[in-house]
Amino acid sequence: SQQGEEDPQALSIQEGENATMNCSYKTSINNLQWYRQNSGRGLVHLILIRSNEREKHSGRLRVTLDTSKKSSSLLITASRAADTASYFCASIRGAQKLVFGQGTRLTINP
Amino acid sequence: ETGVTQSPTHLIKTRGQQVTLRCSSQSGHNTVSWYQQALGQGPQFIFQYYREEENGRGNFPPRFSGLQFPNYSSELNVNALELDDSALYLCASSLADTLANYGYTFGSGTRLTVV
Repeated sequence: SQQGEEDPQALSIQEGENATMNCSYKTSINNLQWYRQNSGRGLVHLILIRSNEREKHSGRLRVTLDTSKKSSSLLITASRAADTASYFCASIRGAQKLVFGQGTRLTINP
Repeated sequence: ETGVTQSPTHLIKTRGQQVTLRCSSQSGHNTVSWYQQALGQGPQFIFQYYREEENGRGNFPPRFSGLQFPNYSSELNVNALELDDSALYLCASSLADTLANYGYTFGSGTRLTVV
């Protein structure tokens, strides 16, 4: 079963706009990670935020974490066509397995 | 730029057959995990190996089995293939000591189609 759920399931925006994706999870976590997947290929690790962190930045990415609400958000600023992909949040559960949500399909329109 | 290599990239098998998928971990990584991703879904954890021992398993039947070799490369074997086994199979490696601070490195996957 999936640990988390991403919202929205699909998002379509114009190039240059900001994209925000949300993730909710069910149990306590050590850290939460975001991955990108292009066209059914492998996943690329984007950013990891620990449970004692509230916000983290990496280039055009900004991740927030609210452990009281068991939720996280990923903001991509100044979107580009190359950002078109599916985005997944994942948390570490026992035996260090990653538990993924179903993902948000992001489309950047030129 | 990924350090994890999977083979083959695509595979078509007939129901009831057996398949072996291969993964070469990123250099220096001692942990390898396998995930199954059905179309339109998030990846599902199959199992994980650490220093050649299975140290975690997801909700998959025993016909899904694996191996990790001394060089930390890995195999995923699936017996008695079923149509529902059609999916993208992803291998991911990591260094166990740094997993809390860094994510996994994934391969590009093997697309398995069972007909």
